[in-house]
Amino acid sequence: DIQLTQSPSFLSASVGDRVTITCRASQGINSYLAWYQQKPGKVPKLLIYAASTLQNGVPSRFSGSGSGTEFTLTISSLQPEDFATYYCQQVYGYPLYTFGPGTKVDLK
Amino acid sequence: EVQLVEFGGGLVQPGGSLRLSCTVSGFNFREYDMNWVRQAPGKGPEWVSYIRSSGNTIYYADSVKGRFTISRDNAKNSLYLQMSSLRAEDTAVYYCARGWFPNYFDFWGQGTLVTVSS
Repeated sequence: DIQLTQSPSFLSASVGDRVTITCRASQGINSYLAWYQQKPGKVPKLLIYAASTLQNGVPSRFSGSGSGTEFTLTISSLQPEDFATYYCQQVYGYPLYTFGPGTKVDLK
Repeated sequence: EVQLVEFGGGLVQPGGSLRLSCTVSGFNFREYDMNWVRQAPGKGPEWVSYIRSSGNTIYYADSVKGRFTISRDNAKNSLYLQMSSLRAEDTAVYYCARGWFPNYFDFWGQGTLVTVSS
């Protein structure tokens, strides 16, 4: 089974900060990784797929990189609407579509 | 506009059954794979089940295998999840989600709450 870990679990940051979240897979998953944003009481929103491709309508301050077992989500300049929990997800192996445990980005 | 609407959630006793439905609009349902995803209170999302556009390939998470059954009716633009032998740990908001390229979840419904409790 492919497991995903995320670090940090919690991140305190200020508006304008550059933020980086890491997702690690227990085995290689090529580039079959997505990032989702979820705000309290809302539905998860697809931000990035195929590790680095921005979904339509997602601001360019979001970027993704990595392949194999290590991936990063970067927010170049944190905006007030970006305070949320971020999840990575792999679509490569069994259990087929695992999510990571999440990283909560909070206001410092 | 793409829309997915789930219904059928509610309170059910342990060991009971429930059938969830998801009706979609705004896209050609028969061309897309579909999924059920759940999220327990205060937890992250957990993928539950997948069904190919044609309905001929189905997968389940180990946690629900043998208890849940996914199906679809392309003529009715509808996705279903038959849940049986429900347990307290199945308590969650259940979402239907469209699978895209190859199965990223690009559109989600608003979810329906399933509570398993005596």
